[in-house]
Amino acid sequence: KAGVTQTPRYLIKTRGQQVTLSCSPISGHRSVSWYQQTPGQGLQFLFEYFSETQRNKGNFPGRFSGRQFSNSRSEMNVSTLELGDSALYLCASSSDGIANGQFFGPGTRLTVL
Amino acid sequence: KNEVEQSPQNLTAQEGEFITINCSYSVGISALHWLQQHPGGGIVSLFMLSSGKKKHGRLIATINIQEKHSSLHITASHPRDSAVYICAVSQYSGGGADGLTFGKGTHLIIQP
Repeated sequence: KAGVTQTPRYLIKTRGQQVTLSCSPISGHRSVSWYQQTPGQGLQFLFEYFSETQRNKGNFPGRFSGRQFSNSRSEMNVSTLELGDSALYLCASSSDGIANGQFFGPGTRLTVL
Repeated sequence: KNEVEQSPQNLTAQEGEFITINCSYSVGISALHWLQQHPGGGIVSLFMLSSGKKKHGRLIATINIQEKHSSLHITASHPRDSAVYICAVSQYSGGGADGLTFGKGTHLIIQP
């Protein structure tokens, strides 16, 4: 089985732009979660999607949004980028949810200039 | 909101030593997860446990629900064990499982 894939792996944007990151979960997995990792804050939960519905959301501003498609692939969008959004964005997939174990993708490293 | 504390933050040991990393949390949980992150960012889920003890190769994870504490042990440590080890907890709320809350991680270096 192929693992979780994320595209692109690296991205450079400037302040004020918007960005869309993509995550393809393991085949058969219906839950996709997104996380942000920064040196200062560590890993933080952004949101979880399950069968195309947002099931949980972390404490991030509305500039961070996501969606999940019928094939379980998920996208995350950040609008009006700020310097502080520079981070490693990780997605993880699970068959039925976070509490039952997840498989992480390699991450997308976003740099905002 | 759950607070997750890990100790130590940094640990350097010699090859072959027995390693212990600790994690404590403040609120009842549905499960505790131990993750491993190597340089470059990739994260591997090592264990998920809600009670007792689990073992996989040289790695052992234990949890004490009453004391809200978990430990990750590495026996016969090897330089390839060098990584950041992260403790995370998940909780159930009315709408389903909450997202993971993470500790700051323990940066482990095993010297040959």
